[in-house]
Amino acid sequence: AQKVTQAQTEISVVEKEDVTLDCVYETRDTTYYLFWYKQPPSGELVFLIRRNSFDEQNEISGRYSWNFQKSTSSFNFTITASQVVDSAVYFCALSGWAGGTSYGKLTFGQGTILTVHP
Amino acid sequence: SAVISQKPSRDICQRGTSLTIQCQVDSQVTMMFWYRQQPGQSLTLIATANQGSEATYESGFVIDKFPISRPNLTFSTLTVSNMSPEDSSIYLCRVAGGRLDNEQFFGPGTRLTVL
Repeated sequence: AQKVTQAQTEISVVEKEDVTLDCVYETRDTTYYLFWYKQPPSGELVFLIRRNSFDEQNEISGRYSWNFQKSTSSFNFTITASQVVDSAVYFCALSGWAGGTSYGKLTFGQGTILTVHP
Repeated sequence: SAVISQKPSRDICQRGTSLTIQCQVDSQVTMMFWYRQQPGQSLTLIATANQGSEATYESGFVIDKFPISRPNLTFSTLTVSNMSPEDSSIYLCRVAGGRLDNEQFFGPGTRLTVL
């Protein structure tokens, strides 16, 4: 069975602070995908990143960066110089590889509520 | 990237009634998924809808309560039957197969309130 754990239920920071959202996962699959989504108050899910399990290279996109460590089954997300517009719920998710029984099915973590104060 | 639309975007319904939610994709996809997000909770997969076959339901979800149709490769419906206030949730569809980057995206969601 697949499982995703986001231990931080809520995080509160002041604008311009850096913040890291933790994600730990469990899977028996040898290949899989990891995702991060943002859900602003409007409710829509905004895709942020998808990472293949065989690609452990860290990724940076503007103020966002992701640290994937297969050895610790973690896929952490850092926002640098946070802004009020970053306030949202952030979800980490896991899905199986194409052709596997869990292909396409996303298992979500419980989400982390991020509040950025001005 | 795929464009996924859902109708209605929101609705308020009376208990005991049913609501059918539509999901339309702008390209052909193999798999369509329906998720539920109860207030303040994470997303839970209801079922997988494959064209030409019966939907596959996850544990805790049954066809009588959440019948699904998948008449073609770009469209699916989810019906929430005999609704109760506990069905108040956001319902989202997602796709996979077809173009690889389709898998990244969710529909905008249907926000359902049952009184």
